[in-house]
Amino acid sequence: DAKTTQPPSMDCAEGRAANLPCNHSTISGNEYVYWYRQIHSQGPQYIIHGLKNNETNEMASLIITEDRKSSTLILPHATLRDTAVYYCIVRVLIYNNNDMRFGAGTRLTVKP
Amino acid sequence: DAGVTQSPTHLIKTRGQQVTLRCSPISGHKSVSWYQQVLGQGPQFIFQYYEKEERGRGNFPDRFSARQFPNYSSELNVNALLLGDSALYLCASSPRDRPFYSNQPQHFGDGTRLSIL
Repeated sequence: DAKTTQPPSMDCAEGRAANLPCNHSTISGNEYVYWYRQIHSQGPQYIIHGLKNNETNEMASLIITEDRKSSTLILPHATLRDTAVYYCIVRVLIYNNNDMRFGAGTRLTVKP
Repeated sequence: DAGVTQSPTHLIKTRGQQVTLRCSPISGHKSVSWYQQVLGQGPQFIFQYYEKEERGRGNFPDRFSARQFPNYSSELNVNALLLGDSALYLCASSPRDRPFYSNQPQHFGDGTRLSIL
């Protein structure tokens, strides 16, 4: 079962920052937070991941709260092409475990 | 660089038939995972292979099987197809550069859409 909770849908105006929340209140110390997105009819696309520090790459920023029970994915300047389903996943790294447990995600709609 | 490639892109089968789906990982990636995505839901984990051995299995019946070849490509087989097997089947690869623990992300192909009539 997915161990994350995300709002089912969100809207964002084009050019504005999109802030997508994720609750993972039962996260363990050895679990990473990953974000993927899926644009219609394509496979999930990796965005970013982190353990406890905030992370930034060319696509987005990941803010993880100090207690690690929630996180926020930030798309700094959303475009229409960012319209997609965004998945927040927590993943434990143990021997022989490499699976990703996806939930239902957040459907982000970027509007002009 | 080529990403994860899957074939075929679309497939139509009838109930009771068998199907084989194929996946080529990103060059240099040794780990391959398979997922099933039913319409309106997130992907569900089926199998993970590393160095040609099964390393993980999700909650799927024995009708589902897979294998990995020496070149790290992989096949997913589904026997005795049911209507409920209609889904997008996704393959993902990751480098697995550390022997047993890796936080490297998986990278997905665009999937094979399987329709059962």
